[in-house]
Amino acid sequence: DIVMTQSPLSLPVTPGEPASISCRSSQSLLHNNGYNYLDWYLQKPGQSPQLLIYLGSNRASGVPDRFSGSGSGTDFTLKISRVEAEDVGVYYCMQTLHTVRHFTFGPGTKVEIK
Amino acid sequence: QVQLVESGGALVKPGGSLRLSCAASGFTFSDYYMTWIRQAPGKGLEWVSYISTGGDRIYYASSLKGRFTVSRDNAKKSLYLQMSSLSPEDTAVYYCGRGLRVTSGLYYYDGMDVWGPGTTVTVSS
Repeated sequence: DIVMTQSPLSLPVTPGEPASISCRSSQSLLHNNGYNYLDWYLQKPGQSPQLLIYLGSNRASGVPDRFSGSGSGTDFTLKISRVEAEDVGVYYCMQTLHTVRHFTFGPGTKVEIK
Repeated sequence: QVQLVESGGALVKPGGSLRLSCAASGFTFSDYYMTWIRQAPGKGLEWVSYISTGGDRIYYASSLKGRFTVSRDNAKKSLYLQMSSLSPEDTAVYYCGRGLRVTSGLYYYDGMDVWGPGTTVTVSS
């Protein structure tokens, strides 16, 4: 099975400052259609997960443009250009490469305000 | 509005069985692959299962060891998760989510963009 790792696992942030989370997969998530099957989700305290980024770099509907995703193959990054207080929660990357017939979440990165 | 609502969570004894349901509304349920994920208390998200629009393609997490069965009824706009041989390690909030879209034979992946509020399964004697 594909294994996902994230770093850091805990990220204290200052409002207005940038933040970055790294996600790595044990095998390439690049499909032969040219898309990377890597999503980013945010789970705010007490809530269901919400989609932020899909296919590596596409912002989901309604997601502020301060969130961006990048990367290809096995290395991916989620960046928040200027953190806001409402961005606290746990961020998960998830591989959704349908060809391997299983999906995997990363361990999560807890973002909290300093 | 687009909505998923899980139900069926309960307190069940080890070795018991339970069936979860997920009711969809506000979108064409039969056009979407659907997924189940879970979250044990204080833990991260764990993917459980995925089912195609017609139910002919089904994926499971290897950790489940064949104890769970996912199914769907497109006429009822409902997704199900039949769980058996439950153990305390299955204690979790279970969420259903919407995945791949199939339209006119073409596949579109826009992420797992809709999730229900979850239903709680507690396995304890």
